[in-house]
Amino acid sequence: QQQVKQSPQSLIVQKGGISIINCAYENTAFDYFPWYQQFPGKGPALLIAIRPDVSEKKEGRFTISFNKSAKQFSLHIMDSQPGDSATYFCAASDTGFQKLVFGTGTRLLVSP
Amino acid sequence: NAGVTQTPKFQVLKTGQSMTLQCAQDMNHNSMYWYRQDPGMGLRLIYYSASEGTTDKGEVPNGYNVSRLNKREFSLRLESAAPSQTSVYFCASGEYGDYEQYFGPGTRLTVT
Repeated sequence: QQQVKQSPQSLIVQKGGISIINCAYENTAFDYFPWYQQFPGKGPALLIAIRPDVSEKKEGRFTISFNKSAKQFSLHIMDSQPGDSATYFCAASDTGFQKLVFGTGTRLLVSP
Repeated sequence: NAGVTQTPKFQVLKTGQSMTLQCAQDMNHNSMYWYRQDPGMGLRLIYYSASEGTTDKGEVPNGYNVSRLNKREFSLRLESAAPSQTSVYFCASGEYGDYEQYFGPGTRLTVT
C-alpha cells in the first residue's frame, strides 16, 4: 500500500514557468515532509522540507505548500530552469529514526 | 569529506549467486539505511540501523541481510540473488533528530 501518493509521474515545463508536483499522505502521524531531488546517476539529495506546524516554506525558487486538513503537500518551482530537470521525490516520516516513506517520483523536464 | 560511499558501482550476478554491497560514511552519523529504487516505485527501505549494534527490517527485507560492522560501515548481503532483486541500491546515513538523510551514489545491480 502506497502511503505517499505522488503526481504527476512526469512533467514538461517551459523555461521560466512554474512546476508543480503534488503529494498526498494517509498516515496522520507523519510529522516531517521533505522533498528530494535526484539527477541521473546520482543519489537523492534533500531539497527542502516542512513540518506540519506551518502551511508554507520557501527557499529561493522552491516552495512547499502544506495542507494538514487535506493531508496534501506540494512543491512549487518558480522560474523553472533547464538545470532543474531531475526526478523529484516527496517523502514523509513519523519517527525519530527518520524512516522515510517515499512517493513514486516525478520526472521534470524544463525545456529551454 | 567523502560523505557516503558505496562499492561496487555496478554488478552483474547470475541467479543464485551471493554478494555483499558495501557502504561507509564519514559524517559520524548514528543511523544508516539501505534502499532500493525501481522504476515507478520510488525508494523503498530494505533495512536500517538506528545505531551501532542494532538493525531493523524496513518495508522490503525479504532476500536480504545486513551487518552494521561499526559506526561507519553498513553492508547489505544478498545470499541467493534473484532476478527480482535487479535494482539500484542506495545507502544513506543520518542523525537522530536531524531528519535529513544523506545518500550515496548507488550500486546498479543486475541479476540474470
